[in-house]
Parts: sequence; C-alpha cells; structure tokens
Amino acid sequence: GQQLNQSPQSMFIQEGEDVSMNCTSSSIFNTWLWYKQDPGEGPVLLIALYKAGELTSNGRLTAQFGITRKDSFLNISASIPSDVGIYFCAGQLSGGSQGNLIFGKGTKLSVKP
Amino acid sequence: DTGVSQDPRHKITKRGQNVTFRCDPISEHNRLYWYRQTLGQGPEFLTYFQNEAQLEKSRLLSDRFSAERPKGSFSTLEIQRTEQGDSAMYLCASSLGGPGTQYFGPGTRLLVL
Repeated sequence: GQQLNQSPQSMFIQEGEDVSMNCTSSSIFNTWLWYKQDPGEGPVLLIALYKAGELTSNGRLTAQFGITRKDSFLNISASIPSDVGIYFCAGQLSGGSQGNLIFGKGTKLSVKP
Repeated sequence: DTGVSQDPRHKITKRGQNVTFRCDPISEHNRLYWYRQTLGQGPEFLTYFQNEAQLEKSRLLSDRFSAERPKGSFSTLEIQRTEQGDSAMYLCASSLGGPGTQYFGPGTRLLVL
C-alpha cells in the first residue's frame, strides 16, 4: 500500500534545542496533517496544511507543505520537556480515498532537561 | 469538553468473545472514521461514514468486524470471535464536510487473551 516515510525515527535532544522532522512520499498528497500522540492517548492535531508551498505556524511549531506535494516538514523551536511524545505526519492521497488518511510511522521525541 | 469521545477506554477479553466499542464524534461533524493502531505504528484506516452511510471499508476490516452509525451521530465497532491479533488501539476520528482535518478520540485499547 501507499507509504509515508517519516524521519527521523527517534530524537533525543536537550531542552531549548530546535527540532526538525519530515515526511516524504513517492505519491502526491492533497492535505498534510501533523499530530502528536502521548502514551495511551489518541493523536492530537497540531497543524493542518492544504496547499502546496503553504507554511503554517502554531506557537513554537512550524510546518510546510512541500512544493512538489510529496513532502512536508515540522519544526519545533526551543523545545521544552512537554514536547516529549510521538509525532505523526498524515496525508490525504491525491485521487485516493475520500476518507483515508495515510500515516507515517512516527518520530519519537525525547527531551533532556 | 466537546471533543470526540470513546467508550470503553480499555477492554480485556478472552479469545473468541465478541466486543463492541462506541464513538461519539464532535457534534456537528458529519464524517466519522475508525482506525486501528498497533504498537510502534501509525494509525491504519478501517472504515468511514458520511452521516449514516458507510462509504468505504479497508481490506483490514475482515468479516468479523462490523461498524454502524445508525442515526448519523454515534458509531459502534463490533469485533466478533476476537483473535489475539485483534489486540490494538482502536481510534475514532471525526471531521466536518470533506476528509480534510480529522480530530481523534482517546482510543479504546483492546487486549485479547
């Protein structure tokens, strides 16, 4: 099936550092979404992107919808301990299902105080 | 809190038993989605509804699985004759209008012994 390649798989950083993660695919997407998931909880929506080239911020988070529509990145500036969790990218495939979000495998972020 | 709610949050059952999960979407959202998430993976799409109509089913949804949304509001997901491989987190999401931005509930964690 369709896959999103999300990297890195995990990150271990110092508090205050900036973080960058990305998702790539060989297919074109109409929508990119970034979610954060804490253990035992459902994913929480962080940022939604709807147009190629779109750059959107939510507090210390910034995400971009790649111009080719095949990739997206998420940056977190000045990380804090509560940023710990698993970050997922998800996308709606162009010409694909009207319901199906395809998810990456996640980036596990650990922050050392 | 008017977010997506799911019940129960946890379910332990013996192999061969039937289980049923409930999802209450955000009240004005006409689309409702079910996903399954196993350890270390992103959520995988199972099925979705627009109002009462079930519009798509994934090949992951075997004939032991059935989902309903009888009045276009809450939905139930039933698994018959559970197997150990059914152990996972079952996530529900809802959206307004198109598939774009899906908001997830906290999930139901199923353990089949």
